[in-house]
Amino acid sequence: NAGVTQTPKFRVLKTGQSMTLLCAQDMNHEYMYWYRQDPGMGLRLIHYSVGEGTTAKGEVPDGYNVSRLKKQNFLLGLESAAPSQTSVYFCASSWPQGRTGTDTQYFGPGTRLTVL
Amino acid sequence: GDSVTQMEGPVTLSEEAFLTINCTYTATGYPSLFWYVQYPGEGLQLLLKATKADDKGSNKGFEATYRKETTSFHLEKGSVQVSDSAVYFCALRTSSASKIIFGSGTRLSIRP
Repeated sequence: NAGVTQTPKFRVLKTGQSMTLLCAQDMNHEYMYWYRQDPGMGLRLIHYSVGEGTTAKGEVPDGYNVSRLKKQNFLLGLESAAPSQTSVYFCASSWPQGRTGTDTQYFGPGTRLTVL
Repeated sequence: GDSVTQMEGPVTLSEEAFLTINCTYTATGYPSLFWYVQYPGEGLQLLLKATKADDKGSNKGFEATYRKETTSFHLEKGSVQVSDSAVYFCALRTSSASKIIFGSGTRLSIRP
């Protein structure tokens, strides 16, 4: 059981370049999330998904797109990277709320992205 | 809207000291409350949780009690160790929401 994995672990981009971050989970969770973590700001939700084929905006969605074509994968795309998107990105997954004892979010190890 | 406020860090303590990290929340209804911990270079992991008023969550010597009257969920440990050095996040999830709301995190450093 690998849990939640993220690819890549590190990446450096130039302004205007595009890239896709991949998140995969093997726990059959229905919900998946993308967060960014910046110093002094905690975790901020970018986008999330409550099931295969669905996505929704979080707190800071601008400049990002997501897709959930398969239940186990959640992709985060940056179409035209900007220095303000330099951050550590975390993916998480969970069962839906209300399912007894299983509303915990499980996090991946993170992707450190630098945009020059 | 729903929110979580936790004490700002960094917090620096000596080994075997008593730890309290304050957390208060604003939410409609009856949220579930969580403490997550992030060790250096890693993702967050659940430390403990409580799902209703007066519940006490506990794990690895840490405890937190869900206090609805004061809307608080303070994290405590009687004797901290160097290995407890990490960033601690308080969080809540309301019964109707698919999202967890996190506080800004408190960095804890323990001196040998």
